[in-house]
Amino acid sequence: QLQLQESGPGLVKPSETLTLTCDVSGGSSGTSAYYWAWIRQPPGKGLEWIGAIYYSGTSYQNPSLSGRVIISADTSKNQFSLKLTSVTAADTAVYFCARAPLGTKAAGSFDIWGQGTAVIVSS
Amino acid sequence: DVQLTQSPSSLSASVGEKITITCRASQSINTYLHWYQQKPGKAPNLLIYDASTLQGGVPSRFSGSGSGTDFTLTISSLQPEDFATYYCQHSYNIPRTFGQGTKLEIK
Repeated sequence: QLQLQESGPGLVKPSETLTLTCDVSGGSSGTSAYYWAWIRQPPGKGLEWIGAIYYSGTSYQNPSLSGRVIISADTSKNQFSLKLTSVTAADTAVYFCARAPLGTKAAGSFDIWGQGTAVIVSS
Repeated sequence: DVQLTQSPSSLSASVGEKITITCRASQSINTYLHWYQQKPGKAPNLLIYDASTLQGGVPSRFSGSGSGTDFTLTISSLQPEDFATYYCQHSYNIPRTFGQGTKLEIK
């Protein structure tokens, strides 16, 4: 059974860059059958799609994040990463990585999630 | 961006009741609509994809319907473990967006 696990610093200072990694176990991240996404949830609020990366290396980000997002993948390590630059307190959230199927009726749904990692932006 | 509006935002119901949550899209999204359940401190769990297809392992008391702009999630007979927050999400285009959530509480 494929599992996802986020890792990264729990505390980041304002204006710095947040870097998170999602480790894929029990399966391969190097498959064209899925894409890999980052989603976040501020305390007490709803879910926000941050962006995603496909097997081809093509990535997409939410325009609401004003070009601050870089998503990359290292299939040799079976992991993908999120960099969020110039963070502010508004970026405080639980960050989830997730898998989305491609080419089936489930395409674009998020069928497997990591447990989430809490990030606080504060000096 | 496609805006998804859920109603109600919160709902109080009793065990055994049937409830319906609605998700309305700001434009037609065909059936590219999915539903999740989230419990406190946990990641969301996919319940229904493609508007009406039950994800494997999800109890049959959950069902979804709709296409275009109007969608519903129905729980036919509430169980104690169903009290949680529910979200809809579209995959019609980029960016993916979620509804604001419906919190289902015990009456």
